[in-house]
Amino acid sequence: DVKVTQSSRYLVKRTGEKVFLECVQDMDHENMFWYRQDPGLGLRLIYFSYDVKMKEKGDIPEGYSVSREKKERFSLILESASTNQTSMYLCASSLGYTGAGANVLTFGAGSRLTVL
Amino acid sequence: GDSVTQMEGPVTLSEEAFLTINCTYTATGYPSLFWYVQYPGEGLQLLLKATKADDKGSNKGFEATYRKETTSFHLEKGSVQVSDSAVYFCALDSTDSWGKLQFGAGTQVVVTP
Repeated sequence: DVKVTQSSRYLVKRTGEKVFLECVQDMDHENMFWYRQDPGLGLRLIYFSYDVKMKEKGDIPEGYSVSREKKERFSLILESASTNQTSMYLCASSLGYTGAGANVLTFGAGSRLTVL
Repeated sequence: GDSVTQMEGPVTLSEEAFLTINCTYTATGYPSLFWYVQYPGEGLQLLLKATKADDKGSNKGFEATYRKETTSFHLEKGSVQVSDSAVYFCALDSTDSWGKLQFGAGTQVVVTP
């Protein structure tokens, strides 16, 4: 069964801390994504990557950065956490930009971050 | 830009009732349309999809038809179960978006025995 695994389900951090959220997929997918989920706002794209070492800004990249050194791993970094970054973070991957099912996303279980 | 609008929740139903969740979209070209479902404590999973006008996606008793003339992709199920309680998200993938889906706000569905 294909999987997207997020390393932490729940995190509590303090304002100003550096936070790393890790995501690993075992499907050899080209594309990986980080979304943020907030009530009433749905999912908003933070960053995505379509290849190793490649990254593109999504709709709300401010305050975040990402790293993709290996195909299977996509990390989200909060350089200096703030209370307005308290949220559920969802990682997803997809096959690539060609082929059937290319745009179907497979999601991880989510990481709920609380910033105090 | 592209956008998805879906009905607000929560939607509360009794078991075996008929469920409809409305979804309309704004997009250029011919997007693919999706319904994802999120069960409590889990990530999202694909429920069904449609890639062109008049396509009907179906899965687990749920159905949705891609209506280009009304820019809609309403989700329906004839007889819901308690296990269908979840948050449902409508989403679109534009032809030039490289797989970056645009999601609606989500609709929570609560089914009571």
